[in-house]
Amino acid sequence: QQQVKQSPQSLIVQKGGISIINCAYENTAFDYFPWYQQFPGKGPALLIAIRPDVSEKKEGRFTISFNKSAKQFSLHIMDSQPGDSATYFCAASMGGGSEKLVFGKGTKLTVNP
Amino acid sequence: DAMVIQNPRYQVTQFGKPVTLSCSQTLNHNVMYWYQQKSSQAPKLLFHYYDKDFNNEADTPDNFQSRRPNTSFCFLDIRSPGLGDAAMYLCATSRDLAGSVEAFFGQGTRLTVV
Repeated sequence: QQQVKQSPQSLIVQKGGISIINCAYENTAFDYFPWYQQFPGKGPALLIAIRPDVSEKKEGRFTISFNKSAKQFSLHIMDSQPGDSATYFCAASMGGGSEKLVFGKGTKLTVNP
Repeated sequence: DAMVIQNPRYQVTQFGKPVTLSCSQTLNHNVMYWYQQKSSQAPKLLFHYYDKDFNNEADTPDNFQSRRPNTSFCFLDIRSPGLGDAAMYLCATSRDLAGSVEAFFGQGTRLTVV
């Protein structure tokens, strides 16, 4: 119930391509879904977040798609760049805030030049 | 400018020897968290402070303790580190628990137990 399942575990994309990372959850009490980006040796940093009252949120090249009925959400990175190479974590929390963020296991993205 | 600062970045400790990791923040946030992140795994919440109120996760071992002497600082104490405690320890802060507020993470302390 508390898990967030993330796939794929690793992803290799060519420069300019689209990177897609998927997450699924079971607990319908989750109401905040952030994505974090983590570079090697650094802490995670918030990339983009969505609440379940919208189906899509876009910030620059990054888009979250949210399917409430399917309990799934995904991150799309358009025009992927080598500088996007990092580990991406989806997460979820309930109670309206970032208390007790439940993280997915992460996706290591490599964007080849 | 770094807003959540963890020291040291790398810590080597002996099996069973107490160790303390520190975290400071310049954001004046009410909430401070400690996460444990093992290699290729997701961060796992150990506990958090809301102001001075301590909230321990049910599955956090008793070996892990925390102190928050003031708003800016929070410490993670590992009383008797075992080999299985080797991990990256991440400190994070957030303005509040209510609402969809962002959590800000430090760069982490990588703990090695020898």
